[in-house]
Amino acid sequence: DTGVSQDPRHKITKRGQNVTFRCDPISEHNRLYWYRQTLGQGPEFLTYFQNEAQLEKSRLLSDRFSAERPKGSFSTLEIQRTEQGDSAMYLCASLAGGARGYTFGSGTRLTVV
Amino acid sequence: AQKITQTQPGMFVQEKEAVTLDCTYDTSDPSYGLFWYKQPSSGEMIFLIYQGSYDQQNATEGRYSLNFQKARKSANLVISASQLGDSAMYFCAMREITEYGNKLVFGAGTILRVKS
Repeated sequence: DTGVSQDPRHKITKRGQNVTFRCDPISEHNRLYWYRQTLGQGPEFLTYFQNEAQLEKSRLLSDRFSAERPKGSFSTLEIQRTEQGDSAMYLCASLAGGARGYTFGSGTRLTVV
Repeated sequence: AQKITQTQPGMFVQEKEAVTLDCTYDTSDPSYGLFWYKQPSSGEMIFLIYQGSYDQQNATEGRYSLNFQKARKSANLVISASQLGDSAMYFCAMREITEYGNKLVFGAGTILRVKS
């Protein structure tokens, strides 16, 4: 499968716990994006990597959120001290430089109880 | 700042008929790109069609076509010969270019239900 993979698909966690999501982009894509999508809304941009460099972060990305892409390949998104408002679908997308087609993964659906 | 507006929260269409999903956008950039994505209940965002601001012709991809009216800043998606499998959420998005690169800005989406 050469698409964007996200793991896990679903995560249920108790409020206050830390969670980490993983995204494996298409191998030749140097750009990687994280988006958050709440119920009934369109995806909202969280952060963007070009290779291993995190170039842009949304103000939606509070101090409890951290994202990494250590070797310019897979990326992780960690949420510390989760809150109920963090419940959402977290989508990852990748893009080859100069291309127009953003390829999305199937997302990780987080539920904070 | 760029903005995407989808004014139809939900739409119904009879199987085999055509349906138009509306999208208007707001930007001051002369160069931009417009996208439509389909999101079934499984959650994956599936790319449907792309229109560049300088493209002379409306984009088409199989049963999907984009009715691009630049002066009106609209980029409506037309789905012809609707199928039951077209039932999903549809998002219009614009590529926003920043000093760091580019990213997609999405509208709120339209839920499409195809009736048999």
